Amino acid sequence: SSELTQDPTVSVALGQTVRITCQGDSLRNYYANWYQQKPGQAPVLVIYGKNKRPSGIPDRFSGSDSGNTASLTITGAQAEDEADYYCNSRDRSGDHLGVFGGGTKLTVL
Amino acid sequence: EVQLVESGGGVVQPGGSLRLSCAASGFTFNDCQMNWVRQAPGKGLEWVSYISSSGRTIYYADSVKGRFTISRDNAKNSLYLEMRSLTADDTAVYYCAREPVGDPIDYWGQGTLVTVSS
Repeated sequence: SSELTQDPTVSVALGQTVRITCQGDSLRNYYANWYQQKPGQAPVLVIYGKNKRPSGIPDRFSGSDSGNTASLTITGAQAEDEADYYCNSRDRSGDHLGVFGGGTKLTVL
Repeated sequence: EVQLVESGGGVVQPGGSLRLSCAASGFTFNDCQMNWVRQAPGKGLEWVSYISSSGRTIYYADSVKGRFTISRDNAKNSLYLEMRSLTADDTAVYYCAREPVGDPIDYWGQGTLVTVSS
């Protein structure tokens, strides 16, 4: 398989901009997908492919990529954005979406 | 509305077996690839297994290969995960997750808790 590395914790002041990063060799070839998970809830897709947002996801969420790093940016973080965020991508062979990052716990101060 | 409802979780002794089910509705099940993803208490997401829309292509995480079997019944709009030789490391919430062809995993069920304990 492959590995995706995320910072375990990130904090942001209310209303400020925060970037959550994900590093991995597979990201040189495949886009990252990003999921938000709040305590006791299932993950929710927030960004996928080349900076695409599912219906209902606020436009303060955006994605970007460069080399082996994918980033999720929240512009104007809100209290309700406090959650765990996971990146996800394909395995080295591209056969399946079976690789998740370790997750980043975002705290909104 | 897309719905994925897992069932079959519970407490099982080490070395035991369990069969999880996922009932799908609100979309054309046999057009979608499906996955099982698990999350141990207080830990991150771990992909477990994938099955293609037809059921002909299957992949497993190394941690479950040889012990878990994924399957689907498109006539019943259902996904399954047969688990055997369970250990404490398999304790987790197991999520059923939809993956439309060419798209990411986009919908998850609410999960079913599997606890392996004596």
